Amino acid sequence: QSVLTQPPSVSAAPGQKVTISCSGSSSNIGSNYVSWYQQLPGTAPKLLIYENDKRPSGISDRFSGSKSGTSATLYITGLQTVDEADYYCATWDSSLNIDVIFGGGTKLTVL
Amino acid sequence: QVQLQESGPGLVKPSQTLSLTCTVSGGSISSGFYYWTWIRQPAGKGLEWIGRIYSSWSTNYNPSLKSRVTMSIDTSKNQFSLKLSSVTAADTAVYYCARGIVVLPADWGQGTLVTVSS
Repeated sequence: QSVLTQPPSVSAAPGQKVTISCSGSSSNIGSNYVSWYQQLPGTAPKLLIYENDKRPSGISDRFSGSKSGTSATLYITGLQTVDEADYYCATWDSSLNIDVIFGGGTKLTVL
Repeated sequence: QVQLQESGPGLVKPSQTLSLTCTVSGGSISSGFYYWTWIRQPAGKGLEWIGRIYSSWSTNYNPSLKSRVTMSIDTSKNQFSLKLSSVTAADTAVYYCARGIVVLPADWGQGTLVTVSS
């Protein structure tokens, strides 16, 4: 059971928009940056979003992030079949002495 | 662009020590303020942070693994390493090394599967 709560799965049709939520508390999301990662089948996670809403160089602007209070959200627009992957949020928790905590992950299915 | 590559035995016997090395290329491991991190992922499950060693060589480990984990850095080889002692089948996972900026991982290695079995 992760400290950060993500929906186990989401789905949408190609071309549509999907949102993935990540819910935490005041000691983690509420007071620290959030990153988002995409993990394609059989590969290592890749950084999609850092510091809540920034995209690394080379990441499509179809991916965006936001944070409000103790929750963060990943937005994916113009869905493509290649977006089918697991998505993880991450932050750190000031009360747990753990540098990095991950959400349980969300499986995105592009119908 | 920094690149990270894990290496080490793919099979470890129960009760023995798992030892992995991460080789960093495209940048010096001793420059900047980075969090050199180990993360693992059992098959079909989520990501678990194991620990990190910071540029001042300070370490922080996941409390659930702290008694069994040791991390170190070899600047002459531009590598950092993980040792996990007294392993059991529950330690079977893909192990990733990563470089963190502002704590959270940014650049990841491709991962290496370690199986604990006799």
